[in-house]
Amino acid sequence: DVKVTQSSRYLVKRTGEKVFLECVQDMDHENMFWYRQDPGLGLRLIYFSYDVKMKEKGDIPEGYSVSREKKERFSLILESASTNQTSMYLCASGPSYEQYFGPGTRLTVT
Amino acid sequence: AQSVTQPDIHITVSEGASLELRCNYSYGATPYLFWYVQSPGQGLQLLLKYFSGDTLVQGIKGFEAEFKRSQSSFNLRKPSVHWSDAAEYFCAVGSRKGYSTLTFGKGTMLLVSP
Repeated sequence: DVKVTQSSRYLVKRTGEKVFLECVQDMDHENMFWYRQDPGLGLRLIYFSYDVKMKEKGDIPEGYSVSREKKERFSLILESASTNQTSMYLCASGPSYEQYFGPGTRLTVT
Repeated sequence: AQSVTQPDIHITVSEGASLELRCNYSYGATPYLFWYVQSPGQGLQLLLKYFSGDTLVQGIKGFEAEFKRSQSSFNLRKPSVHWSDAAEYFCAVGSRKGYSTLTFGKGTMLLVSP
């Protein structure tokens, strides 16, 4: 079975803090993705990566950055967390269009 | 740019009744199409996918979907719903050009009544 793990299920941070969300996959997938999920808005793509050290902006990259130093690991970084970044963050990986999702991190910024 | 519309935000179905969740997409050619399910507090799980060929696609958990090019639709169906099917369902479309990204609909929440 494909396994995508995320470092935390729940996270509470203060406004202005730097936040790291980690995602690891064990299937040697080329592609990895970060989404945020908000009620009524569905899933929105923040960033994705199709290879190590490669990254592309998704639909809502503002306020976020990413890092992919190893194939299995894809990190989402909030440089200075703000309250409007309170959300569920989902990581996914996949060989092509099929994507396999982690359990999500519910981030609250106070 | 492609888009996906799921017209129903919530649907309530009695246990044992049939189910159809609607999905319409906007794309200039035949897209790749997917249905995912999300149980409360969980990530998304792939139910089924359509790339080409037979327009009726079978998935896991007894679900199927039919691609209808003329209607730009990819509706999800199940003949008999179980209480454990209560979840949120997402339709997604992938472009055949460029990167392997998906555009998701906003989801349909399925409630199952006894």
